[in-house]
Amino acid sequence: NAGVTQTPKFQVLKTGQSMTLQCAQDMNHEYMSWYRQDPGMGLRLIHYSVGAGITDQGEVPNGYNVSRSTTEDFPLRLLSAAPSQTSVYFCASSRGQPSNQPQHFGDGTRLSIL
Amino acid sequence: AQRVTQPEKLLSVFKGAPVELKCNYSYSGSPELFWYVQYSRQRLQLLLRHISRESIKGFTADLNKGETSFHLKKPFAQEEDSAMYYCALMVTGTASKLTFGTGTRLQVTL
Repeated sequence: NAGVTQTPKFQVLKTGQSMTLQCAQDMNHEYMSWYRQDPGMGLRLIHYSVGAGITDQGEVPNGYNVSRSTTEDFPLRLLSAAPSQTSVYFCASSRGQPSNQPQHFGDGTRLSIL
Repeated sequence: AQRVTQPEKLLSVFKGAPVELKCNYSYSGSPELFWYVQYSRQRLQLLLRHISRESIKGFTADLNKGETSFHLKKPFAQEEDSAMYYCALMVTGTASKLTFGTGTRLQVTL
């Protein structure tokens, strides 16, 4: 049981490049979300999904796209990477609403934009 | 907009001493509050939530609506409690958006 799997663990990009951060969960969880963690800022919600085919914006969605074509996968796309997107990205999932069910987090992806 | 404040970046205590990790929030309604923990080389995980009124690993947290606080407490710190602790808030009816604080690193020393 892998739980929430994020790939890659580390990535360095040049400004303007595009990239997709992968997130997969094998727990049949309906709810999935992406956070970014910056020094002194805590975790901030980027996008989330309450089920396949449904996505919505979080606190800091600009510069990121998501899709949820399957229950298992929730990729995060950076369309044109900017240095301000240098951060650690966490994917999380839960069986239901995070208010009722604990969120399961991945190990994170450390992304550097040069 | 709601906000969660954890005023201490680092809290260092001796083993056996009481621990209190502070969390204050700003929201005028009735929030749901959580504590998440990340131990070294492990994933972030839920520690406890106020709605359950539970004690996990000896930790408790009481929601004080008057002071808008949700401090995490433990009477006797253990070495294995050393970790990063995050307080988080969810506003009911906001379709599952969690707002996290900046975190407090608890360091328990001998």
